[in-house]
Amino acid sequence: GENVEQHPSTLSVQEGDSAVIKCTYSDSASNYFPWYKQELGKGPQLIIDIRSNVGEKKDQRIAVTLNKTAKHFSLHITETQPEDSAVYFCAASSNDYKLSFGAGTTVTVRA
Amino acid sequence: NAGVTQTPKFRVLKTGQSMTLLCAQDMNHEYMYWYRQDPGMGLRLIHYSVGEGTTAKGEVPDGYNVSRLKKQNFLLGLESAAPSQTSVYFCASTQTVLSYEQYFGPGTRLTVT
Repeated sequence: GENVEQHPSTLSVQEGDSAVIKCTYSDSASNYFPWYKQELGKGPQLIIDIRSNVGEKKDQRIAVTLNKTAKHFSLHITETQPEDSAVYFCAASSNDYKLSFGAGTTVTVRA
Repeated sequence: NAGVTQTPKFRVLKTGQSMTLLCAQDMNHEYMYWYRQDPGMGLRLIHYSVGEGTTAKGEVPDGYNVSRLKKQNFLLGLESAAPSQTSVYFCASTQTVLSYEQYFGPGTRLTVT
């Protein structure tokens, strides 16, 4: 099955700085890569996703890049704000509906 | 729209006891999922359903059973709880037509002593 590794496990950044989270996947058939954000006490929520026919996707301060050859993808958050503090999960799927999640990254934005 | 709701929010069980976790969604979604979340291990898929009356095993199905008798409900059962099943359980659903975004419930924190 698919194995998704996520790094780092924790990340502390100064408000206004950028944050980068990296994931690698093992199954070359994977073609869908979503990112979920989980705030304290809540369920995860989709923030951005990318498909394997696209190399980069942006949504305001959030961007995701994908390198199919190296089998890795990354989440970039620019101009971080306190509300960006959360746990972020990457995931990969070869059939869209069944996801394999990474272990998560706890992001703390320091004021 | 309530979205995805889970019952109960918290539960403490003794080893060997049984219980059922209820997940309900009001978005008419076809697919539903049960995950468990443990520290340092992310979300792991227990069972899922691609439609009413169907269920399938996920990554960690042992010790759990599920049923999807109605499209809007997905039940997760623990027949004989073990301390290793102490976890936070999340239910999710997705429509699969326009998007495969999974909508998650608020979670159930289960402790087995």
